[in-house]
Amino acid sequence: NAGVTQTPKFQVLKTGQSMTLQCAQDMNHEYMSWYRQDPGMGLRLIHYSVGAGITDQGEVPNGYNVSRSTTEDFPLRLLSAAPSQTSVYFCASTNGPEAFFGQGTRLTVV
Amino acid sequence: GQQLNQSPQSMFIQEGEDVSMNCTSSSIFNTWLWYKQDPGEGPVLLIALYKAGELTSNGRLTAQFGITRKDSFLNISASIPSDVGIYFCAGHYAGGTSYGKLTFGQGTILTVHP
Repeated sequence: NAGVTQTPKFQVLKTGQSMTLQCAQDMNHEYMSWYRQDPGMGLRLIHYSVGAGITDQGEVPNGYNVSRSTTEDFPLRLLSAAPSQTSVYFCASTNGPEAFFGQGTRLTVV
Repeated sequence: GQQLNQSPQSMFIQEGEDVSMNCTSSSIFNTWLWYKQDPGEGPVLLIALYKAGELTSNGRLTAQFGITRKDSFLNISASIPSDVGIYFCAGHYAGGTSYGKLTFGQGTILTVHP
């Protein structure tokens, strides 16, 4: 049972480039979310989804887009990367209040 | 939005010592959760607390849900080197548009010296 799988694990982007961070879960959870982790700031919610076709913004949504076409997948898109988006990104799949996290994507924007 | 204050920010202890950390909130939560993050990994759930006043143990870990629903603490007894990592508290409010969203504390970095 893989749980939550994120790809890639590491990525370097140039300012202005776009990319998609992939997230897949095999636990059949309806609720999925994306967080970013920055030093000293804990994890902050970017976007979340309560089921296929339904998404909403979290605390820090600017610069990111999401879609949820299936229960299993919840990709995060950076449309035009900025240095401020250098961070570690975590996808989570949630059962009630208990969230299960992937291993993270470490993104550097230069 | 809701804010969580987690303290201390970091701890340096000797192997065998007990550890205590806590979180306080400006708002109430329905659930408090404690996570541990190892270097290069995602957070892993340690303990979930569902009722005000609840005291729950998981091996050497003990956590409590404060009776005001605005605070929680985590204790680790007889620390060992593998306890090293970042510990996060998180609160969940199961009402309105907050359903399913977690609010995280800033984390406590724990270093254990052999």
